[in-house]
Amino acid sequence: ERLMTQSPAALSVSPGERVTLSCRASQSIGTNLAWFQHKPGQPPRLVIYGASTRAPGIPARFSGSGSGTDFTLTITSLQSEDFAVYYCQQSNNWPRTFGQGTKVEIK
Amino acid sequence: EVQLVESGGGVVQAGGSLRLSCAASGFIFSDYWMNWVRQTPGKGLEWLTNMNQDGSEISYVASVKGRFTIFRDNAKNSLYLQINNLRAEDSGVYYCGRDFSPRLMDVWGRGTTVTVSS
Repeated sequence: ERLMTQSPAALSVSPGERVTLSCRASQSIGTNLAWFQHKPGQPPRLVIYGASTRAPGIPARFSGSGSGTDFTLTITSLQSEDFAVYYCQQSNNWPRTFGQGTKVEIK
Repeated sequence: EVQLVESGGGVVQAGGSLRLSCAASGFIFSDYWMNWVRQTPGKGLEWLTNMNQDGSEISYVASVKGRFTIFRDNAKNSLYLQINNLRAEDSGVYYCGRDFSPRLMDVWGRGTTVTVSS
């Protein structure tokens, strides 16, 4: 089972700032990495898949990069609606596994 | 609108059973693999099980095999999860989700909460 490790666990950011979240896989997963945004009481929302492809409807301020074991999600100019928990998930190996999440909070 | 709505959660005593339901709308349910994922305080997000379009292929994560059963009714656009012999560590929010690519969900429900009391 691929272990996914996210860092940091939480960060406080002011609106308009740039944010970079990290996700590391215990073994190579190619580019089979997705990012989800989750707000309380709402369904998780697919943000990025294939490490760098934005899902339909996701604003261009969201970008993903990386391959192998190290991945990043970058949000340029954070908006109020972006404050949420972000999870990475590998789809390279069965079973799919998730990171523990990074909570992006308002500073 | 593409939507998944879970129901059936509640408070149940350890050793009891629950059947969760997931109602799909806004898409052709019978075209998709469907999944159950849960979020627990102990393990975070954990994929549990999935089923292919006609129910002929099923997978379970090792930790729930033998206690959890996934099934679907394409005529009712519904997915189900039967959970038996509930344990305290099964407490959490259970989500159903649609796969648009192998091992990748693009649509999730809001979840239904299961609380196991001892």
